[in-house]
Amino acid sequence: DADVTQTPRNRITKTGKRIMLECSQTKGHDRMYWYRQDPGLGLRLIYYSFDVKDINKGEISDGYSVSRQAQAKFSLSLESAIPNQTALYFCATSEEGRSGELFFGEGSRLTVL
Amino acid sequence: AQSVTQLGSHVSVSEGALVLLRCNYSSSVPPYLFWYVQYPNQGLQLLLKYTTGATLVKGINGFEAEFKKSETSFHLTNPSAHMSDAAEYFCAVSDWVLRFGAGTRLTVKP
Repeated sequence: DADVTQTPRNRITKTGKRIMLECSQTKGHDRMYWYRQDPGLGLRLIYYSFDVKDINKGEISDGYSVSRQAQAKFSLSLESAIPNQTALYFCATSEEGRSGELFFGEGSRLTVL
Repeated sequence: AQSVTQLGSHVSVSEGALVLLRCNYSSSVPPYLFWYVQYPNQGLQLLLKYTTGATLVKGINGFEAEFKKSETSFHLTNPSAHMSDAAEYFCAVSDWVLRFGAGTRLTVKP
């Protein structure tokens, strides 16, 4: 089984709909992250959490919210999806510290029509 | 805030040729630097990282990178490209979170 599991892997939705992307990890790490990948822009940080009681905004948090349900679970919500939120979304987890390697899920491809 | 710039969004080499992917960083503190690789339809995985100590860092699949403080660079090299190296490569710098460059897509021609 994968260390980081994202669901759904692919989703097509319509403008204005609420969408939740879920992430679970079996690494036992406290830190979890949501990134968004767009062609030519690399990965940009949406939200991150250093433990179950800690939630922080990243570079591009507008239009998104998150919930840290447990050490192993971190979900991303789009309250009212818009077409420019069409992207590939990655969840990741890491150990503490600046040198901690990120372990990524396989991504959730979201298309907003 | 720390940032990285990857020079060249697309690099194409022949099989067996040298691979050079360029990355420059900006950091107000001693940088921790990373290279990640993304194969098609997969998540990212760590190739190598520099934190402290030896400035030449070796990673998986024959890749290595050299930290040059005077040039604020952390370029990735491989002396001999294989078809299986075709992927997208991301440079990243860590402050309290990892910040990625825009990526370089590597194509390997037979």
